[in-house]
Amino acid sequence: DVVMTQTPPSLSVAIGQSVSISCKSSQSLVASDKNTYLNWLLQSPGRSPKRLIYQVSKLDSGVPDRFSGSGSEKDFTLKISRVEAEDLGVYYCLQGTHLPYTFGAGTKLELK
Amino acid sequence: EVQLVESGGGLVKPGSSLKLSCVASGFTFSSYGMHWIRQAPKKGLEWIALIYYDSSNKYYADSVKGRFTISRDNSKNTLYLEMNSLRSEDTAMYYCAKSLLWWGQGTLVTVSS
Repeated sequence: DVVMTQTPPSLSVAIGQSVSISCKSSQSLVASDKNTYLNWLLQSPGRSPKRLIYQVSKLDSGVPDRFSGSGSEKDFTLKISRVEAEDLGVYYCLQGTHLPYTFGAGTKLELK
Repeated sequence: EVQLVESGGGLVKPGSSLKLSCVASGFTFSSYGMHWIRQAPKKGLEWIALIYYDSSNKYYADSVKGRFTISRDNSKNTLYLEMNSLRSEDTAMYYCAKSLLWWGQGTLVTVSS
Protein backbone atom coordinates (compact mmCIF):
# COMPACT_ATOMS: atom_id res chain seq x y z
CA ASP A 1 0.00 0.00 0.00
CA VAL A 2 1.08 3.60 -0.61
CA VAL A 3 2.15 5.31 2.60
CA MET A 4 1.32 9.00 2.84
CA THR A 5 3.63 10.86 5.24
CA GLN A 6 2.09 14.16 6.26
CA THR A 7 3.93 16.85 8.22
CA PRO A 8 3.75 18.59 10.57
CA PRO A 9 1.19 16.81 12.77
CA SER A 10 0.07 20.15 14.15
CA LEU A 11 0.43 23.84 13.44
CA SER A 12 -0.28 26.80 15.66
CA VAL A 13 -1.07 29.88 13.63
CA ALA A 14 -2.24 33.46 14.04
CA ILE A 15 -5.07 34.77 11.91
CA GLY A 16 -3.62 36.30 8.78
CA GLN A 17 -0.51 34.14 8.76
CA SER A 18 0.40 31.77 5.95
CA VAL A 19 1.12 28.08 6.49
CA SER A 20 2.24 25.08 4.48
CA ILE A 21 1.57 21.38 4.97
CA SER A 22 3.67 18.69 3.34
CA CYS A 23 2.58 15.27 2.11
CA LYS A 24 5.04 12.73 0.73
CA SER A 25 4.05 9.41 -0.83
CA SER A 26 6.02 6.18 -0.82
CA GLN A 27 5.35 5.75 -4.55
CA SER A 28 4.83 8.06 -7.48
CA LEU A 29 1.20 9.19 -7.68
CA VAL A 30 1.26 9.66 -11.46
CA ALA A 31 -1.43 7.38 -12.86
CA SER A 32 -1.39 5.51 -16.16
CA ASP A 33 -3.59 8.28 -17.63
CA LYS A 34 -0.83 10.79 -16.68
CA ASN A 35 -3.03 12.45 -14.04
CA THR A 36 -1.93 12.70 -10.42
CA TYR A 37 -4.73 11.90 -8.00
CA LEU A 38 -3.65 13.75 -4.90
CA ASN A 39 -6.39 15.38 -2.86
CA TRP A 40 -6.49 17.68 0.16
CA LEU A 41 -9.42 17.61 2.60
CA LEU A 42 -10.36 19.64 5.66
CA GLN A 43 -12.30 18.28 8.61
CA SER A 44 -13.60 21.16 10.70
CA PRO A 45 -14.42 20.35 14.35
CA GLY A 46 -17.52 18.14 14.62
CA ARG A 47 -18.03 18.07 10.85
CA SER A 48 -17.63 15.60 8.01
CA PRO A 49 -14.51 16.02 5.88
CA LYS A 50 -14.70 18.34 2.90
CA ARG A 51 -12.49 18.12 -0.16
CA LEU A 52 -10.66 21.33 -1.00
CA ILE A 53 -8.26 20.35 -3.76
CA TYR A 54 -8.08 17.52 -6.27
CA GLN A 55 -5.45 16.44 -8.80
CA VAL A 56 -2.74 18.27 -6.83
CA SER A 57 -3.79 21.84 -7.53
CA LYS A 58 -7.41 22.10 -8.73
CA LEU A 59 -9.67 23.91 -6.28
CA ASP A 60 -13.14 22.55 -5.66
CA SER A 61 -16.02 24.93 -6.26
CA GLY A 62 -16.42 27.51 -3.51
CA VAL A 63 -12.95 27.00 -2.06
CA PRO A 64 -11.23 30.36 -1.51
CA ASP A 65 -8.14 31.06 -3.58
CA ARG A 66 -6.21 31.48 -0.32
CA PHE A 67 -5.77 27.73 -0.69
CA SER A 68 -3.30 26.36 -3.18
CA GLY A 69 -1.81 22.97 -3.91
CA SER A 70 1.43 22.11 -5.61
CA GLY A 71 3.84 19.27 -6.15
CA SER A 72 4.48 16.28 -8.36
CA GLU A 73 5.36 12.60 -8.31
CA LYS A 74 5.85 11.93 -4.57
CA ASP A 75 6.08 15.35 -2.97
CA PHE A 76 3.10 17.64 -2.42
CA THR A 77 2.28 20.82 -0.52
CA LEU A 78 -0.86 22.57 0.61
CA LYS A 79 -0.45 26.28 1.25
CA ILE A 80 -2.95 28.49 3.02
CA SER A 81 -2.33 32.21 2.64
CA ARG A 82 -3.82 34.61 5.19
CA VAL A 83 -5.38 32.00 7.48
CA GLU A 84 -8.93 32.76 8.64
CA ALA A 85 -10.77 31.33 11.65
CA GLU A 86 -12.92 29.11 9.39
CA ASP A 87 -9.74 27.35 8.19
CA LEU A 88 -9.09 25.72 11.57
CA GLY A 89 -9.42 21.95 11.80
CA VAL A 90 -7.56 18.87 10.57
CA TYR A 91 -6.17 18.70 7.06
CA TYR A 92 -5.65 15.36 5.31
CA CYS A 93 -3.95 14.43 2.08
CA LEU A 94 -5.44 11.47 0.22
CA GLN A 95 -4.02 9.57 -2.74
CA GLY A 96 -6.50 8.15 -5.22
CA THR A 97 -4.03 6.79 -7.79
CA HIS A 98 -3.33 3.38 -6.29
CA LEU A 99 -5.77 1.01 -4.63
CA PRO A 100 -6.28 0.90 -1.75
CA TYR A 101 -6.62 4.66 -1.45
CA THR A 102 -4.66 5.98 1.53
CA PHE A 103 -4.77 9.07 3.71
CA GLY A 104 -2.06 10.99 5.48
CA ALA A 105 -2.28 11.02 9.27
CA GLY A 106 -3.56 14.59 9.33
CA THR A 107 -2.33 18.04 10.32
CA LYS A 108 -4.23 19.88 13.03
CA LEU A 109 -4.35 23.61 12.41
CA GLU A 110 -4.98 25.54 15.62
CA LEU A 111 -5.07 29.17 16.68
CA LYS A 112 -1.98 30.55 18.38
CA GLU B 1 -27.94 19.73 -4.07
CA VAL B 2 -26.07 16.50 -3.41
CA GLN B 3 -27.16 14.76 -0.23
CA LEU B 4 -25.86 11.54 1.28
CA VAL B 5 -27.58 10.17 4.38
CA GLU B 6 -26.07 7.20 6.19
CA SER B 7 -27.96 4.98 8.62
CA GLY B 8 -27.77 1.59 10.27
CA GLY B 9 -25.07 2.17 12.84
CA GLY B 10 -25.36 1.12 16.45
CA LEU B 11 -23.86 -0.83 19.34
CA VAL B 12 -23.11 -4.47 18.56
CA LYS B 13 -21.11 -7.28 20.15
CA PRO B 14 -17.84 -8.61 18.72
CA GLY B 15 -18.45 -11.26 16.08
CA SER B 16 -21.83 -9.89 15.05
CA SER B 17 -23.02 -8.34 11.80
CA LEU B 18 -24.43 -5.00 10.74
CA LYS B 19 -25.57 -3.47 7.45
CA LEU B 20 -25.14 0.23 6.78
CA SER B 21 -27.11 2.19 4.17
CA CYS B 22 -26.42 5.46 2.41
CA VAL B 23 -29.31 7.09 0.56
CA ALA B 24 -28.22 9.49 -2.17
CA SER B 25 -30.10 12.38 -3.76
CA GLY B 26 -29.38 15.41 -5.90
CA PHE B 27 -27.38 13.63 -8.59
CA THR B 28 -27.61 10.66 -10.95
CA PHE B 29 -26.57 7.98 -8.48
CA SER B 30 -26.25 5.27 -11.13
CA SER B 31 -23.50 7.23 -12.90
CA TYR B 32 -20.98 7.47 -10.06
CA GLY B 33 -18.64 5.26 -8.13
CA MET B 34 -19.16 5.43 -4.38
CA HIS B 35 -16.87 5.03 -1.38
CA TRP B 36 -17.06 4.06 2.28
CA ILE B 37 -14.55 5.71 4.59
CA ARG B 38 -14.33 5.38 8.35
CA GLN B 39 -12.85 7.27 11.28
CA ALA B 40 -12.14 5.62 14.62
CA PRO B 41 -12.70 7.84 17.68
CA LYS B 42 -10.07 10.59 17.87
CA LYS B 43 -8.22 9.04 14.93
CA GLY B 44 -7.63 9.81 11.27
CA LEU B 45 -9.53 8.78 8.17
CA GLU B 46 -9.34 5.29 6.66
CA TRP B 47 -10.64 4.47 3.17
CA ILE B 48 -12.31 1.07 3.25
CA ALA B 49 -14.24 0.35 0.05
CA LEU B 50 -15.12 1.49 -3.47
CA ILE B 51 -17.83 0.29 -5.85
CA TYR B 52 -18.07 1.27 -9.50
CA TYR B 53 -21.24 2.92 -10.84
CA ASP B 54 -22.49 -0.37 -12.28
CA SER B 55 -21.19 -2.67 -9.50
CA SER B 56 -18.74 -4.18 -12.01
CA ASN B 57 -15.78 -3.64 -9.71
CA LYS B 58 -15.40 -3.54 -5.95
CA TYR B 59 -12.25 -2.82 -3.97
CA TYR B 60 -11.49 -3.08 -0.28
CA ALA B 61 -8.87 -2.14 2.28
CA ASP B 62 -6.99 -5.14 3.63
CA SER B 63 -8.36 -4.41 7.10
CA VAL B 64 -11.92 -5.30 5.99
CA LYS B 65 -11.38 -7.62 3.01
CA GLY B 66 -13.30 -10.85 3.41
CA ARG B 67 -15.48 -9.43 6.23
CA PHE B 68 -17.15 -6.39 4.64
CA THR B 69 -19.14 -6.26 1.38
CA ILE B 70 -19.98 -3.08 -0.50
CA SER B 71 -23.04 -3.11 -2.75
CA ARG B 72 -25.56 -0.75 -4.29
CA ASP B 73 -29.10 -0.65 -5.58
CA ASN B 74 -29.28 1.96 -8.32
CA SER B 75 -33.08 1.67 -8.46
CA LYS B 76 -33.20 2.84 -4.86
CA ASN B 77 -30.29 5.32 -5.01
CA THR B 78 -28.78 3.46 -2.11
CA LEU B 79 -25.28 2.30 -1.21
CA TYR B 80 -24.72 -0.46 1.34
CA LEU B 81 -21.95 -1.80 3.51
CA GLU B 82 -22.51 -5.24 4.98
CA MET B 83 -20.16 -5.85 7.89
CA ASN B 84 -19.58 -9.33 9.31
CA SER B 85 -17.33 -10.71 12.05
CA LEU B 86 -17.12 -7.28 13.63
CA ARG B 87 -14.19 -6.51 15.90
CA SER B 88 -13.58 -3.80 18.48
CA GLU B 89 -11.20 -2.14 16.03
CA ASP B 90 -14.11 -1.63 13.61
CA THR B 91 -15.56 0.93 16.04
CA ALA B 92 -15.77 4.13 14.02
CA MET B 93 -17.87 6.73 12.31
CA TYR B 94 -18.66 5.40 8.83
CA TYR B 95 -19.04 7.86 5.97
CA CYS B 96 -20.21 7.32 2.43
CA ALA B 97 -18.79 9.61 -0.22
CA LYS B 98 -19.36 10.47 -3.87
CA SER B 99 -16.21 11.21 -5.82
CA LEU B 100 -14.52 11.97 -2.50
CA LEU B 101 -16.05 15.45 -2.83
CA TRP B 102 -19.45 14.94 -1.27
CA TRP B 103 -19.65 13.20 2.11
CA GLY B 104 -22.52 12.19 4.32
CA GLN B 105 -22.78 13.06 7.99
CA GLY B 106 -21.72 9.56 9.02
CA THR B 107 -23.21 6.75 11.10
CA LEU B 108 -21.51 5.52 14.27
CA VAL B 109 -20.71 1.85 14.73
CA THR B 110 -19.60 0.70 18.17
CA VAL B 111 -18.38 -2.86 18.65
CA SER B 112 -18.19 -3.75 22.31
CA SER B 113 -19.16 -6.56 24.65
